[in-house]
Amino acid sequence: RKEVEQDPGPFNVPEGATVAFNCTYSNSASQSFFWYRQDCRKEPKLLMSVYSSGNEDGRFTAQLNRASQYISLLIRDSKLSDSATYLCGAGGSYIPTFGRGTSLIVHP
Amino acid sequence: NAGVTQTPKFRVLKTGQSMTLLCAQDMNHEYMYWYRQDPGMGLRLIHYSVGEGTTAKGEVPDGYNVSRLKKQNFLLGLESAAPSQTSVYFCAAHRTGKPYEQYFGPGTRLTVT
Repeated sequence: RKEVEQDPGPFNVPEGATVAFNCTYSNSASQSFFWYRQDCRKEPKLLMSVYSSGNEDGRFTAQLNRASQYISLLIRDSKLSDSATYLCGAGGSYIPTFGRGTSLIVHP
Repeated sequence: NAGVTQTPKFRVLKTGQSMTLLCAQDMNHEYMYWYRQDPGMGLRLIHYSVGEGTTAKGEVPDGYNVSRLKKQNFLLGLESAAPSQTSVYFCAAHRTGKPYEQYFGPGTRLTVT
């Protein structure tokens, strides 16, 4: 069982929709949490880190639930350009573990 | 400021051949990583380094060796390539205290026939 699990999707949504991804982690000692975005045939890029109090960046909101050991990503008002694979991750002081990614397809 | 670069971008090897993948970063980051990414498997850590002259094994180190002789370079070697090593290889770097803020290189697509 992988340390970080996420639904591979694909999530197929129309433009303007709100979509949410969840990701569970098994190591309760994890200290840092994050979401990366990966476009097709490109490298992953940090989307946002996830803080205990939750954080928001424009249309994107990330939440952490330590009791249930999951992190979430909410995307509001989806754009065509949001189509990508979203990788969640958790880690300790320097070894991050990534999930396998959730594919999002936003269609007109 | 190039960030993280990888050489080569593509390579085709025959089984048993050897090669070295080069990762270079100009951000002066201490930590560097080599991952492989396969369909449905996500990113898996091969080896990593917490500073010049240090290396350590990750989740899937068998068949690979690494060296970090200079802070800015992290080399990944395949001594005797196998078809199971066909993958996309990513190098990443981050500064001390920011393990979630990894900067990835563009990747190397390796095919072993």
